[in-house]
Amino acid sequence: GAVVSQHPSWVICKSGTSVKIECRSLDFQATTMFWYRQFPKQSLMLMATSNEGSKATYEQGVEKDKFLINHASLTLSTLTVTSAHPEDSSFYICSAPDIGSNQPQHFGDGTRLSIL
Amino acid sequence: QKEVEQNSGPLSVPEGAIASLNCTYSDRVSQSFFWYRQYSGKSPELIMSIYSNGDKEDGRFTAQLNKASQYVSLLIRDSQPSDSATYLCAVGRILTGGGNKLTFGTGTQLKVEL
Repeated sequence: GAVVSQHPSWVICKSGTSVKIECRSLDFQATTMFWYRQFPKQSLMLMATSNEGSKATYEQGVEKDKFLINHASLTLSTLTVTSAHPEDSSFYICSAPDIGSNQPQHFGDGTRLSIL
Repeated sequence: QKEVEQNSGPLSVPEGAIASLNCTYSDRVSQSFFWYRQYSGKSPELIMSIYSNGDKEDGRFTAQLNKASQYVSLLIRDSQPSDSATYLCAVGRILTGGGNKLTFGTGTQLKVEL
């Protein structure tokens, strides 16, 4: 079936580093992808909606300049956490709706980001 | 008021019992409703979807939707230890280009005890 691949699965890096996370739809085209963040024992919070060929739509309270989103093709969206700090440590999950599927969204496996 | 509310639990049930999970939502124009299961450190996986009032059964799982009361529930029959996880309720709006934009509840932790 349709799969969304997310890479890397975990990252540990120093404060101030920028980190890029990739999300790929493997066998379907995704004009829209979603980026979520999940802190321990909390739910998934939508950060932004990535739109192929246009600017992402950010949820209230999410800094556009800190969380850069690029959706350059119908199968790839990237999230770059710029100048990451310890408070950015979280579980980041992408998803993509597959209109031809009975699933509302296909989720990637998530990226565990730890900033030291 | 949170958009999607769930009791955080933990909800403990003995093996073989029925687990009942509840969810309320605030947006009356919500069109689609989902239950996801999430194991610790993993992404959510879809358990059930429901779009119209009433019950929908799939194996040991039954989803119930009451749009007038803005309430959706999930029943798990013959609960197994492997059902122990966090169950997320999600409410969706259909996007113009297709697909759903989901709002998640905080999740209910279920523990099935031997």
